[in-house]
Amino acid sequence: DAGITQSPRYKITETGRQVTLMCHQTWSHSYMFWYRQDLGHGLRLIYYSAAADITDKGEVPDGYVVSRSKTENFPLTLESATRSQTSVYFCASSERLAGSYNEQFFGPGTRLTVL
Amino acid sequence: AQSVSQHNHHVILSEAASLELGCNYSYGGTVNLFWYVQYPGQHLQLLLKYFSGDPLVKGIKGFEAEFIKSKFSFNLRKPSVQWSDTAEYFCAVFATGRRALTFGSGTRLQVQP
Repeated sequence: DAGITQSPRYKITETGRQVTLMCHQTWSHSYMFWYRQDLGHGLRLIYYSAAADITDKGEVPDGYVVSRSKTENFPLTLESATRSQTSVYFCASSERLAGSYNEQFFGPGTRLTVL
Repeated sequence: AQSVSQHNHHVILSEAASLELGCNYSYGGTVNLFWYVQYPGQHLQLLLKYFSGDPLVKGIKGFEAEFIKSKFSFNLRKPSVQWSDTAEYFCAVFATGRRALTFGSGTRLQVQP
């Protein structure tokens, strides 16, 4: 199906475990983003990518790792999960960063619980 | 640092009431402005956006927003809300030179039938 998908939709893990959240888009958008959504904070940018093999830190990158070997995929890895990483994670993509066509399209989200 | 403020955290309205949600940002340069909506259990969807030109922007589902540059504001309005407008609304700003959108903390709108 066309669009942006995330998997898994729900994940429960334990402190210290490694977790990878997947994001896939079918539009061939250059830019992809990972946000976390927490009550009272809105959405905060974790990492973003301007193209394959180009990534950069956002506002809250600590404890997360990303890669982008292919344009359409942008996985987010929690190397050693902590309770503070319990959140809803959204992936997004956009054709451009600035100007027209820079609106971001969001995936359905992954609800992660770290016990 | 740039910030986006949504002063109304939780708004409760009756159907047919008028809606205005405030959004203020602190960046002084060129900005692109967005309102996104998140219906219960769903992902964020774009309601409307402003890039340039007419400061009054019309979006989907009868929503509109007015960009007032002198007030650094981009308030969202709807003349008559419906129960189906119950959702969380996020204002977002993209400023030239920034890496991505900066989101406000969101406003939860509850419309009572």
